[in-house]
Amino acid sequence: GAGVSQSPSNKVTEKGKDVELRCDPISGHTALYWYRQSLGQGLEFLIYFQGNSAPDKSGLPSDRFSAERTGGSVSTLTIQRTQQEDSAVYLCASSQAGIGNTEAFFGQGTRLTVV
Amino acid sequence: SQQGEEDPQALSIQEGENATMNCSYKTSINNLQWYRQNSGRGLVHLILIRSNEREKHSGRLRVTLDTSKKSSSLLITASRAADTASYFCATDASGGNTPLVFGKGTRLSVIA
Repeated sequence: GAGVSQSPSNKVTEKGKDVELRCDPISGHTALYWYRQSLGQGLEFLIYFQGNSAPDKSGLPSDRFSAERTGGSVSTLTIQRTQQEDSAVYLCASSQAGIGNTEAFFGQGTRLTVV
Repeated sequence: SQQGEEDPQALSIQEGENATMNCSYKTSINNLQWYRQNSGRGLVHLILIRSNEREKHSGRLRVTLDTSKKSSSLLITASRAADTASYFCATDASGGNTPLVFGKGTRLSVIA
């Protein structure tokens, strides 16, 4: 595609339910990142995939959060047993080469609201 | 944890004035990037400066990097109302395959 695509753009879920957020990176980009942004705050790093290397999961806030990247392309971020504090915009980005060497392209994010 | 810290947190200026935002970081880096965000959604890349560079220009943007002070500044000259947005610096720590880490951002308001 022309850019990074995220779906859904908005998601409202009940506390305790599981949610899956999807990210389609730019074709050929080997690096993929997930970030979380609460209202008026900065970007909180969650997880990072680079090629065939083991993902850097150091930013995941709890074991309720997990992510996978199938075939080096599409990624899914799963939040189990959602809590109200999980409400935020979840942003995905991809880049062509190693991190920091080229710009990261962002999707428009998924706004998650847990009620 | 967040590597970069921008200041000020918020900045309000008149159209035509220059806007300066600063970023400080904690560890040695490969590169430092600046991004812009409108309306709390996707970020757009503005400029990248490598650790061995001291200054870079792109249109009305001027970025400086001082690795000895672990700091960078973004200058927007002749600001316009359309420059109103949040601006973030992002760094990747040197020494390995590390993720891009963002600061908390500066909210810039340009008043027409």
